[in-house]
Amino acid sequence: SQQGEEDPQALSIQEGENATMNCSYKTSINNLQWYRQNSGRGLVHLILIRSNEREKHSGRLRVTLDTSKKSSSLLITASRAADTASYFCATDAGGNTPLVFGKGTRLSVIA
Amino acid sequence: DAGVIQSPRHEVTEMGQEVTLRCKPISGHNSLFWYRQTMMRGLELLIYFNNNVPIDDSGMPEDRFSAKMPNASFSTLKIQPSEPRDSAVYFCASRATGTSEKLFFGSGTQLSVL
Repeated sequence: SQQGEEDPQALSIQEGENATMNCSYKTSINNLQWYRQNSGRGLVHLILIRSNEREKHSGRLRVTLDTSKKSSSLLITASRAADTASYFCATDAGGNTPLVFGKGTRLSVIA
Repeated sequence: DAGVIQSPRHEVTEMGQEVTLRCKPISGHNSLFWYRQTMMRGLELLIYFNNNVPIDDSGMPEDRFSAKMPNASFSTLKIQPSEPRDSAVYFCASRATGTSEKLFFGSGTQLSVL
């Protein structure tokens, strides 16, 4: 069953604009992770934020986490056509339990 | 490191046939996961192994599905008999549980059951 639910399902923006994707989840987490999937490929890990963190940066990526609202957001700044992909959030309850993925946001960046 | 390796990359078969998907995890990773991805249901966990032992197979849809991990470097997912509704992309992923929470995915097997 899905734990994370991304919003919006699809997003289309112009190159250079910022893209924001949101993720909501239902149960307690140890950390939350974002992954990217190019068409026809496997998912690739982008960034991880722990439950005691509120914000994290990695290059053009900025992730926030609000555990009181059980939500996270992924911001991609100054988007490029190469950022076109599907983006998934995944929740990790810790221990040896598996990640649970949302259905993803399909991002299209138009040059 | 070559990453997680899956084979075949594409599989087209007829209903009723047996299908075997293969996965080689990253060396040193002790957890292996099989996921299935469809447009309707997204990415679903089928089964996962820790140290070659199946931990949770509650995601396996039916008895037609079975998975094995005979050693730390190889796993199979078998569907027998296959049905058209099994058509999906099947991903294998691995991680070094205890040292990293990141999952590393293979490129997937696109399965089409006619």
